[in-house]
Amino acid sequence: GENVEQHPSTLSVQEGDSAVIKCTYSDSASNYFPWYKQELGKGPQLIIDIRSNVGEKKDQRIAVTLNKTAKHFSLHITETQPEDSAVYFCAASRRSGAGSYQLTFGKGTKLSVIP
Amino acid sequence: DAMVIQNPRYQVTQFGKPVTLSCSQTLNHNVMYWYQQKSSQAPKLLFHYYDKDFNNEADTPDNFQSRRPNTSFCFLDIRSPGLGDAAMYLCATSRDLGGYNEQFFGPGTRLTVL
Repeated sequence: GENVEQHPSTLSVQEGDSAVIKCTYSDSASNYFPWYKQELGKGPQLIIDIRSNVGEKKDQRIAVTLNKTAKHFSLHITETQPEDSAVYFCAASRRSGAGSYQLTFGKGTKLSVIP
Repeated sequence: DAMVIQNPRYQVTQFGKPVTLSCSQTLNHNVMYWYQQKSSQAPKLLFHYYDKDFNNEADTPDNFQSRRPNTSFCFLDIRSPGLGDAAMYLCATSRDLGGYNEQFFGPGTRLTVL
């Protein structure tokens, strides 16, 4: 099955600095890579995603890059703000035997933005 | 707004007392998932429904069951909760977009077992 590794597990940055979180996956059949932000006591919220036919995608201060050959993808947050503090999960999606798609999550990165 | 709703947000039950968690969606998605998330861990898939077809994960204990009476609603039944079942339970929905899907999560139900 799929295995997703995520690093680092914790990350502290000064407000205004950039934050980078990296993930690797093992199954070349995975074709969709979402990133979720989870605040304390809440469900994961989809913040950005990328499909396997795209190398980079940007949405305001958030960008994601994908290297299919190396099987790794990264989340970049620029000009970090205290409200960016949360746990971030990367995930890889592939079609399951049942016909639907399944997500395999990384173990999460706890991001702390210091004012 | 279209969304995924979970009730209750907090549930307290006693050891061995059956409990049911509910999820509803207004997104009209054909796939619904139940995840278990323990503290400081990633969500773990328990099972999912693809339309009316139920798909259980191999390592999901028999203690966990699910029902989907219609497109909008899905229930998670824990027949005899143990202390180890205390966790956040997340419901998610998605639809097949022809090659990939997007999963949208509800706010979760925090289950406490006394």
